[in-house]
Amino acid sequence: QQQVKQSPQSLIVQKGGISIINCAYENTAFDYFPWYQQFPGKGPALLIAIRPDVSEKKEGRFTISFNKSAKQFSLHIMDSQPGDSATYFCAASIRGGAQKLVFGQGTRLTINP
Amino acid sequence: SAVISQKPSRDICQRGTSLTIQCQVDSQVTMMFWYRQQPGQSLTLIATANQGSEATYESGFVIDKFPISRPNLTFSTLTVSNMSPEDSSIYLCSVDLRGFPEAFFGQGTRLTVV
Repeated sequence: QQQVKQSPQSLIVQKGGISIINCAYENTAFDYFPWYQQFPGKGPALLIAIRPDVSEKKEGRFTISFNKSAKQFSLHIMDSQPGDSATYFCAASIRGGAQKLVFGQGTRLTINP
Repeated sequence: SAVISQKPSRDICQRGTSLTIQCQVDSQVTMMFWYRQQPGQSLTLIATANQGSEATYESGFVIDKFPISRPNLTFSTLTVSNMSPEDSSIYLCSVDLRGFPEAFFGQGTRLTVV
């Protein structure tokens, strides 16, 4: 009930391509869905987040698509760059915010130059 | 945003010993969180540290193994007690900063137990 399932586990994309990472959840009480980016040796940093009252949110090259009925959300990275190579985590929480985040398993993204 | 400093950044410890990890925030925060990130895996919440009250532990984590202190609004410690190799992980401090919906994380403490 509290799980967030993330796929794929790893992803290799050519420079300039589109990177797509998917997540699914079961608990309909989740109301805040952030994506975190983590570089080696660093803590996760917020990339972009969405609430269930919108179906899409775009910030620069990063877009979250949200399907409330399917209980799925995804991260799209357009024009992927080598500097985007990192581990990406989706997450979810109740009552929107930093409290008690439930994280997906993570996706190690590699952008080939 | 918040600047979160964790100490130590990494350590190698003998099994059976204990390690205390410090988390310092540059502003006052109500809630601080401790996460564990096992090698190549996701982050799992250990406990929520509230100033002035006992920490709240998640299922699978107990106070005897992971005692937490929260003496003021800018500081917390997590102790990993009686360590075994299975405790080898990255331990991360996170804060809930008023006015910001997202969690801010420290850089983590990489613990290796030998």
